[in-house]
Amino acid sequence: AQSVSQHNHHVILSEAASLELGCNYSYGGTVNLFWYVQYPGQHLQLLLKYFSGDPLVKGIKGFEAEFIKSKFSFNLRKPSVQWSDTAEYFCAVNGGSQGNLIFGKGTKLSVKP
Amino acid sequence: DVKVTQSSRYLVKRTGEKVFLECVQDMDHENMFWYRQDPGLGLRLIYFSYDVKMKEKGDIPEGYSVSREKKERFSLILESASTNQTSMYLCASSFQYQPQHFGDGTRLSIL
Repeated sequence: AQSVSQHNHHVILSEAASLELGCNYSYGGTVNLFWYVQYPGQHLQLLLKYFSGDPLVKGIKGFEAEFIKSKFSFNLRKPSVQWSDTAEYFCAVNGGSQGNLIFGKGTKLSVKP
Repeated sequence: DVKVTQSSRYLVKRTGEKVFLECVQDMDHENMFWYRQDPGLGLRLIYFSYDVKMKEKGDIPEGYSVSREKKERFSLILESASTNQTSMYLCASSFQYQPQHFGDGTRLSIL
């Protein structure tokens, strides 16, 4: 069965620090990969997605993620975080079933001003 | 822009009641999903549907049922609400393998 692991439950950073959130998945076939963000009190929004092609994908608000097939990883990065990036971040994988996503448990990011 | 509308942001019900959570999307998506979101557990899929009158069980379907009579509407039903069903419920829709679009969620409390 597919699964998604997010390594960090809660990350606390100061503004301007660099961010990397880990995501590993287990699935042997072709996958589509997603990062979603949930700002406090808001609905989940898509940050970025990977379907094929360049394994380094850029999303909104300066976020990027790198798909490393050999490591089954899709880590999220941002060079310099802002207080407004405080949110919960979810990695998700789709493989096999049409449209179904398997979500990780989420990583809560707190950015100190 | 895709809009997924959940009928209530907050709902309080009593143990044993039958509870209906409604979700409507306006983009003619064939796929619709119901999740529950609990702290530390992420999103867990309850039921999904790929077409009208079609439904499939997700990872945690026990105690829930769904209805999809029209393409744009996907209802989640708690047949007899219990306190362990207190949670945030999220509805989503998508077109084929494209990213899912989420509603604002319904925070349901069962007393």
